[in-house]
Amino acid sequence: ILNVEQSPQSLHVQEGDSTNFTCSFPSSNFYALHWYRWETAKSPEALFVMTLNGDEKKKGRISATLNTKEGYSYLYIKGSQPEDSATYLCAFLNSGNTGKLIFGQGTTLQVKP
Amino acid sequence: GAVVSQHPSWVICKSGTSVKIECRSLDFQATTMFWYRQFPKQSLMLMATSNEGSKATYEQGVEKDKFLINHASLTLSTLTVTSAHPEDSSFYICSARVDPLAGAMTGYNEQFFGPGTRLTVL
Repeated sequence: ILNVEQSPQSLHVQEGDSTNFTCSFPSSNFYALHWYRWETAKSPEALFVMTLNGDEKKKGRISATLNTKEGYSYLYIKGSQPEDSATYLCAFLNSGNTGKLIFGQGTTLQVKP
Repeated sequence: GAVVSQHPSWVICKSGTSVKIECRSLDFQATTMFWYRQFPKQSLMLMATSNEGSKATYEQGVEKDKFLINHASLTLSTLTVTSAHPEDSSFYICSARVDPLAGAMTGYNEQFFGPGTRLTVL
């Protein structure tokens, strides 16, 4: 059974704080890792698709790194703003299957003004 | 671009009734759409893969006669929960994968999601 774990489950920070959270996934048969941002009552929005070990991607104040050998990815948010409040999901894509995304439970971030 | 709509956003029904949920890709064609279910404090779980013009592929443990999927066009997939019971109460969300012919795919199964449907069965 493929397991994708995200930690922490929830996080409360003050506006301006930088924060990071983790996605752990199986290190074998890696193909890709997706990060999504999901605001309440909206559609999950794709942030990054990570494919190579050592990948670092950045979108504004949000960045992500990837370590496929040890099976983890970090998502960083620099200078958190209230509008960053959302649930951040990661999803693992295994090279051995038909393209099924395996999702973690998500990290819910609340940024207080 | 790449907007997916889902309707209804929430529905309350009586036990034994059937409920249909629509998933539409608004500005792109999607040969493949996916249906997920999320129970409280759990992750999105894939229920089935919907392919235009062919039968859906269901994940292990998902009853195909209970969750009927129809993908009759390149922009519309429907999920019908037949004879719904309280244990079917959940959050259902669809996604669509852009067709390779549209030129946006990299092969990493990028999916665009709808906003989801909250189903409550009384």
